[in-house]
Amino acid sequence: DIVMTQSPDSLAVSLGERATINCKSSQSVLYSSKNKNYVAWYQQKPGQPPKLLIYWASTRESGVPDRFSGSGSGTDFTLTISSLQAEDVAVYYCQQYYSTPPNFGQGTRLEIK
Amino acid sequence: EVQLVESGGGLVQPGGSLRLSCAASGFTFSSYWMTWVRQAPGKGLEWVANIKQDGSDKYYVDSVKGRFTISRDNAKNSLYVQMNSLRAEDTAVYYCARVIPAAKPESGYYYMDVWGKGTTVTVSS
Repeated sequence: DIVMTQSPDSLAVSLGERATINCKSSQSVLYSSKNKNYVAWYQQKPGQPPKLLIYWASTRESGVPDRFSGSGSGTDFTLTISSLQAEDVAVYYCQQYYSTPPNFGQGTRLEIK
Repeated sequence: EVQLVESGGGLVQPGGSLRLSCAASGFTFSSYWMTWVRQAPGKGLEWVANIKQDGSDKYYVDSVKGRFTISRDNAKNSLYVQMNSLRAEDTAVYYCARVIPAAKPESGYYYMDVWGKGTTVTVSS
């Protein structure tokens, strides 16, 4: 099984500042022949279901603000929020879909400093 | 509007059974893999099971194998999970989600793009 490990577990950032969340997979999730990384990022606000933000490691889902971006390849991935807004307070999860089970990271709680 | 609505949650005693349902609307249900993901109180997301478009392939997390059965009825646009021999550690909010199918010639599935609001299962005496 591929294990996804996020860092940090929690993060406090000032409004308007950059937030960076990291995710490391225990083995590569890069499908070489397609040059695609099988990683998604989800946002879960309190009391709500998860919401898809990013797939293929860097493709933003329709309707997601462009302050959210994803990067990385192979085993190391990053979700960046370029200018934190109050509505971005949430728990963020990475997930791999390269193989079954499609495991999630443990989550990173993002708060306002 | 694309929508998933779960139902069937509740309080059940250890060793008991429960059947969750997920009603889909606003999209061609039979074209998508579907999945159940759960979240224990105060914990993270845990994938539970996947089912292929025609129901021919099913996958489960090890902790529920032999106890949970995922199924679907494409004529009714519905996804199910039959949960038997329930344990306290199965207590969670259970979400159904739509899963993007892999593009040919790949088989399998990709990411989860639409989620329901969830239904709560509590296993306790």
